[in-house]
Amino acid sequence: QSVLTQPPSASGTPGQRVTISCSGSSSNIGSNTVHWYQQLPGTAPKLLIYSNNQRPSGVPDRFSGSKSGTSASLAISGLQSEDEADYYCAAWDESLNSVFGGGTKLTVL
Amino acid sequence: EVQLVQSGAEVKKPGESLKISCRGSKNSFTNYWIAWVRQMPGKGLEWMGIIYPGDSETKYSPSFQGQVTISADKSISTAYLQWSSLKASDTAMYYCATAEKHTSGYDYWGQGTLVTVSS
Repeated sequence: QSVLTQPPSASGTPGQRVTISCSGSSSNIGSNTVHWYQQLPGTAPKLLIYSNNQRPSGVPDRFSGSKSGTSASLAISGLQSEDEADYYCAAWDESLNSVFGGGTKLTVL
Repeated sequence: EVQLVQSGAEVKKPGESLKISCRGSKNSFTNYWIAWVRQMPGKGLEWMGIIYPGDSETKYSPSFQGQVTISADKSISTAYLQWSSLKASDTAMYYCATAEKHTSGYDYWGQGTLVTVSS
């Protein structure tokens, strides 16, 4: 059972907009920034969004993040087949450790 | 840009010890934190702990405290993850990753080290 709760799966058709939620508590998302990672099959995770809504250099602006209270969301617009991957949210917890969500498997139909 | 190169795959027996490594870019190794993340087969990411090689300050996940040891040798820009007695349940891919602060996102990742523990 992960500290941060994500839906296990999500799906969309090419061109659609998809959102993935991440629910936490006052000790993690409510107190600290949220980061999102994309993991393509067989590869290491990649930082997609940091500090709630910031994109690292090279990440397309189709990806966006937001946070409200103890929840956060990742939105992917203009869905493409190469977006099919696992997505994880993460945040620092005030119990002095970082926590990940359980991950969401995104399928592009 | 930081590059992290991890040591190769390991096959060990239960009860054996193991130390895997993560070598970073020489010039900036002491300027960022290095985290270790476990991914068991077919499962999600689990945060194990994080170290600041500049002064060896280390934080552990309660789930891994006492089960592993995280260390670093800044003279050779390398961080380590160590087990004294492996269990079959330690079979997993282990990633190292860098962060500007311990609360920051992990912007650079190693390629992963696959550890297989089997009798």
